[in-house]
Amino acid sequence: GAVVSQHPSWVICKSGTSVKIECRSLDFQATTMFWYRQFPKQSLMLMATSNEGSKATYEQGVEKDKFLINHASLTLSTLTVTSAHPEDSSFYICSARDLHGIEAFFGQGTRLTVV
Amino acid sequence: KQEVTQIPAALSVPEGENLVLNCSFTDSAIYNLQWFRQDPGKGLTSLLLIQSSQREQTSGRLNASLDKSSGRSTLYIAASQPGDSATYLCAAYSGAGSYQLTFGKGTKLSVIP
Repeated sequence: GAVVSQHPSWVICKSGTSVKIECRSLDFQATTMFWYRQFPKQSLMLMATSNEGSKATYEQGVEKDKFLINHASLTLSTLTVTSAHPEDSSFYICSARDLHGIEAFFGQGTRLTVV
Repeated sequence: KQEVTQIPAALSVPEGENLVLNCSFTDSAIYNLQWFRQDPGKGLTSLLLIQSSQREQTSGRLNASLDKSSGRSTLYIAASQPGDSATYLCAAYSGAGSYQLTFGKGTKLSVIP
């Protein structure tokens, strides 16, 4: 299957700083990528849909100014958590669709801890 | 809005047992349904994807079924092994051509040696 690479796999940052997470499709082009968040013992919840060359679409309750998404190329989407706070500590994971396939492929996820 | 429910939330079985994990969804107009495995602190491993036109898929000791009319899917694991211990997630695709998934909270499986 197609490969989606997410980096970093874990990051610890100080409260008030910003963190960038990268999601790359390695062997296919992805016009659409999705960002999910998972709090402990909770389900993965969709945060936003990232569209190449246009603005991301955010789910209700997700602050677009706090979670900046950039999808500047067909193989890369980035999620920047700005002015991170401890309550932003979570597991973030991206997925991408292969235009010619039938399923979404997931990155390895990023464990963010804000101290 | 699609909602996905998984029962039970946790399950503990002795090694060798066959088991069934349940998943239900509220909107029967799903496109595909996919089962994943998630190990602690790790990402997702895709197990089986059932397309909307299919009723089941099999891979090794795993068999997943889909009944859209009743809004249910099951994951059957045969001859369970300690290495099967993980959280199993069920996810529904929103609609034709959409690759946005709605996930259940998962079933945490423990297989006791």
